[in-house]
Amino acid sequence: GAVVSQHPSRVICKSGTSVKIECRSLDFQATTMFWYRQFPKQSLMLMATSNEGSKATYEQGVEKDKFLINHASLTLSTLTVTSAHPEDSSFYICSARVPITSGKTGEQFFGPGTRLTVL
Amino acid sequence: AQSVTQLDSQVPVFEEAPVELRCNYSSSVSVYLFWYVQYPNQGLQLLLKYLSGSTLVESINGFEAEFNKSQTSFHLRKPSVHISDTAEYFCAVSEKAAGNKLTFGGGTRVLVKP
Repeated sequence: GAVVSQHPSRVICKSGTSVKIECRSLDFQATTMFWYRQFPKQSLMLMATSNEGSKATYEQGVEKDKFLINHASLTLSTLTVTSAHPEDSSFYICSARVPITSGKTGEQFFGPGTRLTVL
Repeated sequence: AQSVTQLDSQVPVFEEAPVELRCNYSSSVSVYLFWYVQYPNQGLQLLLKYLSGSTLVESINGFEAEFNKSQTSFHLRKPSVHISDTAEYFCAVSEKAAGNKLTFGGGTRVLVKP
């Protein structure tokens, strides 16, 4: 099946520093990846849609200058949380959409998530 | 815009008993429907999906869900749960022509008791 990895799985940083999270599709090429945020005991909220070779599309209320997304290749998207603050502490999950030509229209495969704690 | 409502935030159930998780959605266009399961501190795993065709879809581990267009529902059921089914379950929809962005419900926490 399609496998998506995230690195790191857990990160603790000081307030004011920047943190980069990687999302990789291991056995397929993903032209589109998605970044979600999940607070404890809550649902996933879509932050942005990342398209390979173009600028990410951010959801309303998400600061694009704070959450930098780069999708430089068909297997890698990165989310950088800049000048992180304690309120940015959350579980960040990425997903990758399989190509429409694969016959699995609409299906996203999720990474295992990255738990960010900002002190 | 679309929205998803999971009516139950928590469902305690005894082992080997049946369980039903309710999901209702609203959308002005045709949608794809999904159920995902999340175990503690893990990402989401696809449980089952409805894209088209038969309105009753089944997973390999005994779950099934039925798409009801008139009631805009996609309830998830399992006739007999195991302890290992303890997890968070999310219903999600995506519009067929909107880049496949998923909108998630609030989640239902299933706690299977021995």
